[in-house]
Amino acid sequence: GENVEQHPSTLSVQEGDSAVIKCTYSDSASNYFPWYKQELGKRPQLIIDIRSNVGEKKDQRIAVTLNKTAKHFSLHITETQPEDSAVYFCAEQYGNKLVFGAGTILRVKS
Amino acid sequence: DAGVIQSPRHEVTEMGQEVTLRCKPISGHNSLFWYRQTMMRGLELLIYFNNNVPIDDSGMPEDRFSAKMPNASFSTLKIQPSEPRDSAVYFCASSIQSLNTEAFFGQGTRLTVV
Repeated sequence: GENVEQHPSTLSVQEGDSAVIKCTYSDSASNYFPWYKQELGKRPQLIIDIRSNVGEKKDQRIAVTLNKTAKHFSLHITETQPEDSAVYFCAEQYGNKLVFGAGTILRVKS
Repeated sequence: DAGVIQSPRHEVTEMGQEVTLRCKPISGHNSLFWYRQTMMRGLELLIYFNNNVPIDDSGMPEDRFSAKMPNASFSTLKIQPSEPRDSAVYFCASSIQSLNTEAFFGQGTRLTVV
């Protein structure tokens, strides 16, 4: 079945540094890989996504890479800011089913 | 559109009582998901519907949990009887049923069973 592993579970970086969160998935038929950000007490919201026919996608300070052969995908945040502090979830979509990783608590220290 | 609307926002109930959580998806969305979020288990997919039909309920933890979607604009998640270990935040999300589309989450219902 679908399974997404996410690492690390917590990440602490200095403001201005980069942060990288990695996920692996098990189902080779998965074709859509979104990333969600959840601030304390709020709902998860999509920040970036990538489809299986693309290797990399960038949106300002956020980028996502996908390696379908290795079944890895990663979130990269550059020039981190205090407002980037939140929980980040990767997810895989198999058919219409959306399954999430366990989440990464990112803390940006100023 | 007001987005996905869930009610109530908070629910405190006694063990053994029936609890009903409600969700109104975004108009035009025909996929609906129920998730449970806890510190220990993260975001667990409980069940999802396409065009009001339950597709996969393998995440529903026990027979005490049931979900319905009587029409395109309304879904319920019911727990009967409730137990303290059911305490969690329950999220509903909706999307357009096609490949590679964003799921929009409601504000969630924080359930506390005492």
